[in-house]
Amino acid sequence: EAGVAQSPRYKIIEKRQSVAFWCNPISGHATLYWYQQILGQGPKLLIQFQNNGVVDDSQLPKDRFSAERLKGVDSTLKIQPAKLEDSAVYLCASSLNSLGGAYEQYFGPGTRLTVT
Amino acid sequence: GQQLNQSPQSMFIQEGEDVSMNCTSSSIFNTWLWYKQDPGEGPVLLIALYKAGELTSNGRLTAQFGITRKDSFLNISASIPSDVGIYFCAGQLPNAGNNRKLIWGLGTSLGVNP
Repeated sequence: EAGVAQSPRYKIIEKRQSVAFWCNPISGHATLYWYQQILGQGPKLLIQFQNNGVVDDSQLPKDRFSAERLKGVDSTLKIQPAKLEDSAVYLCASSLNSLGGAYEQYFGPGTRLTVT
Repeated sequence: GQQLNQSPQSMFIQEGEDVSMNCTSSSIFNTWLWYKQDPGEGPVLLIALYKAGELTSNGRLTAQFGITRKDSFLNISASIPSDVGIYFCAGQLPNAGNNRKLIWGLGTSLGVNP
């Protein structure tokens, strides 16, 4: 079974530029998550989708971050404009929408963003 | 935001030794998950726990869901160099409904000396 795919793996941009990340979850997983992980910390949830609807975006800085999952499968996360403090690893995860396995989130390799 | 207290923050052991780490909270959790993260990679799920008192093994790894539902521990037996990495605990609060938000610890960094 293929895992969660993310691209690109690395991205370097200047502040005030825009950037987009892509995620393809595990096939059949209805729930998709975007996390931000700053060095030395645990992942911080930015947004959670169930199918193509947003369940939780309370920690998403909506003035500069946006995310969509139009067809309920793959998803994009965008930052516009980027700030220095956005330098982090952006992780995508997915989980089944069923009892028993609902809370087991499976992560992609992440995109390491450096803002200069 | 809410976080789990994970300890120790870091440890360095000799190959072959056993290691134990734990996670505690002031809140009750319904689910405990243990992940390992290697440098440059995403976290990999090691063990999932769903019932108070549950003891689950995955190879040399054993994890338990505390009876009080406020803690969990992870043991690694006979450590090997590839056990090096950062171990995270994550928990799910009750009554979360459709929101499967996990609360994360800050991680335990494990080093193994061959």
